[in-house]
Amino acid sequence: QVQLVQSGAEVKKPGASVKVSCKASGYTFTDYYLHWVRQAPGQGLEWMGRINPTSGATNYAQKFQGRVAMTRDTSISTAYMELSGLRSDDTALYYCAKNTATNNFWGQGTLVTVSS
Amino acid sequence: SYELTQPSSMSVSPGQTARITCSGDVLAERYGRWFQQKPGQAPVIIIYKDNERPSGIPERFSGSSSGTTVTLTISGAQVEDEADYYCYSAADNNWVFGGGTKLTVL
Repeated sequence: QVQLVQSGAEVKKPGASVKVSCKASGYTFTDYYLHWVRQAPGQGLEWMGRINPTSGATNYAQKFQGRVAMTRDTSISTAYMELSGLRSDDTALYYCAKNTATNNFWGQGTLVTVSS
Repeated sequence: SYELTQPSSMSVSPGQTARITCSGDVLAERYGRWFQQKPGQAPVIIIYKDNERPSGIPERFSGSSSGTTVTLTISGAQVEDEADYYCYSAADNNWVFGGGTKLTVL
């Protein structure tokens, strides 16, 4: 079955960077875009961007342009999301997710806490 | 940029019908999806292509579309349907989410 397994929780200081991984299994990694979505505590879902696992091409939400980088390693079916210049309002649960025509699959989420 | 607007909260009694609307210009051209999210869990898709239900989703969940609005209907809401519901669409390589509706069933 499709699984997206993310790396563990992180605590970072303001100004630092964080890199979250998302390992895919149960399907052909290069067949579907991989998206990143975040959810601040008590808030809604916010799309950050996506990566084409085949080409590595990315599309980022305007809000995160210049601060986010999405990459992948096809040899281990893993996608990465790196967010730099962390601020306290970047404290959130970060999800990777993928669409099919009839379904969505989500990772378990990675909590990133930004605190001095 | 695209926006999707949904009510922030609503409340129904068990057995009643809950209808949650989601409006946005993008919905005139693109399908809408609905997610259910319970506390501490990742979102789960319950409706795709405006009105299709993935396997395993109870029949009391249904979707409809008209113009720039999609509607999620929960017929005979159950206590376990208490959750946050998000509409979503995709346009111009972006995913767009509504702000979420907190449904209370009591």
